[in-house]
Amino acid sequence: EVRLVESGGGFVKPGGSLRLSCAASGVTLSHTWMSWVRRAPGKGLEWVGRVKAEHEGGAIDYAAPVRGRFTLSRDDSENTLYLQMNSLTSEDTAIYYCATRWGYWGHGTLVTVSS
Amino acid sequence: DIVMTQTPFSSPITLGQPASISCRSSQNLVDSDGNTFLSWLQQRPGQPPRLLIYKISNRVSGVPDRFSGSGAGTDFTLLISRVEAEDVGVYYCMQSAQSPITFGQGTKLEIK
Repeated sequence: EVRLVESGGGFVKPGGSLRLSCAASGVTLSHTWMSWVRRAPGKGLEWVGRVKAEHEGGAIDYAAPVRGRFTLSRDDSENTLYLQMNSLTSEDTAIYYCATRWGYWGHGTLVTVSS
Repeated sequence: DIVMTQTPFSSPITLGQPASISCRSSQNLVDSDGNTFLSWLQQRPGQPPRLLIYKISNRVSGVPDRFSGSGAGTDFTLLISRVEAEDVGVYYCMQSAQSPITFGQGTKLEIK
């Protein structure tokens, strides 16, 4: 059974940083495509970024609003995906989900950016 | 970027009645292998998104057969043949044919 568990969310001031984690079991993250998706309060789903499977090159790409501020990485030894978020603004306030193959989602972690 | 436009924005439906959600993409979603990467997701209140349908019309294992997807090219439809109380939530179409991956704005399904 595939299980994804996000952690690392919390309250941060504008300009601050957070690192989110997505710990996986039942799937080897390096063998699959992984995405981060967020949902801001009162808004719809927004794709944040993804990493392709290692055997397909492992390329990473980002949505325009986070490019240059957010960084996806993967620790294969821990089977964990990370999202390093820098220069946070109130627009980044959202529940952040990791997902694989679009059929498996974590329950999300809440990020609140406020002064 | 491919823009996904869903209608309606909200849909109050009587239990047992059908519900239909439309999704239009700004570009054709067919890739070079003939696959169309159009999916439908459901998000119930307080829950993560759930994949219902992939590649236009393929129902995910465990999804009730009252959910069906159809369409081609740039126009797609999610049909719920008989709405049940557990179907309340927000429904999204999503294209994963091209980066950036984009979602429709969501359709809120409510019981009348």
